Amino acid sequence: KNEVEQSPQNLTAQEGEFITINCSYSVGISALHWLQQHPGGGIVSLFMLSSGKKKHGRLIATINIQEKHSSLHITASHPRDSAVYICAVRYRRGGGADGLTFGKGTHLIIQP
Amino acid sequence: DVKVTQSSRYLVKRTGEKVFLECVQDMDHENMFWYRQDPGLGLRLIYFSYDVKMKEKGDIPEGYSVSREKKERFSLILESASTNQTSMYLCASTQGGLWELFFGEGSRLTVL
Repeated sequence: KNEVEQSPQNLTAQEGEFITINCSYSVGISALHWLQQHPGGGIVSLFMLSSGKKKHGRLIATINIQEKHSSLHITASHPRDSAVYICAVRYRRGGGADGLTFGKGTHLIIQP
Repeated sequence: DVKVTQSSRYLVKRTGEKVFLECVQDMDHENMFWYRQDPGLGLRLIYFSYDVKMKEKGDIPEGYSVSREKKERFSLILESASTNQTSMYLCASTQGGLWELFFGEGSRLTVL
């Protein structure tokens, strides 16, 4: 089973700051997901990536397969970015379907 | 847009009751999952299904069963609810090899 570690667990920042959330995993993967969960709400998929870098608006996700590490960056952060950000890794299991392991999440608060 | 709908946002049940949580997706996805989410533990996989009438145990299947009689519907059943099953339950679906994750809004279950 893959172990997924996210850091930091909690992050409070001021509006406009550049935010970085990190995710490390223990076993080779086929893909990594970044997810966003607002309080009381469902979970939304932000990125799915298996190499390199992806950008969507103010969000950037990178992955380094050799180092088993991914980062999620938020530029020009805004209070509406306040949410829990979750990293999930997809990996090959023996004998069948892929597995999916989630990190415990990073609770981000952006203050005005 | 893909929609994953969970039948109840909030439920309160008594110990020993049978509980049904239903999940319906409208995009003909092959794969459907049930997770529970608890503070400090992240998302943990209960059961998943890769086809109609097919199910596989996840990491914490004890005390739960599932049913997938139709492709669009995946039900989670608590045969005899216990207080330690108080949690947020999240359903997710994905299409075959694409693996972008789509989540429902969640069902918060309280067992008294």
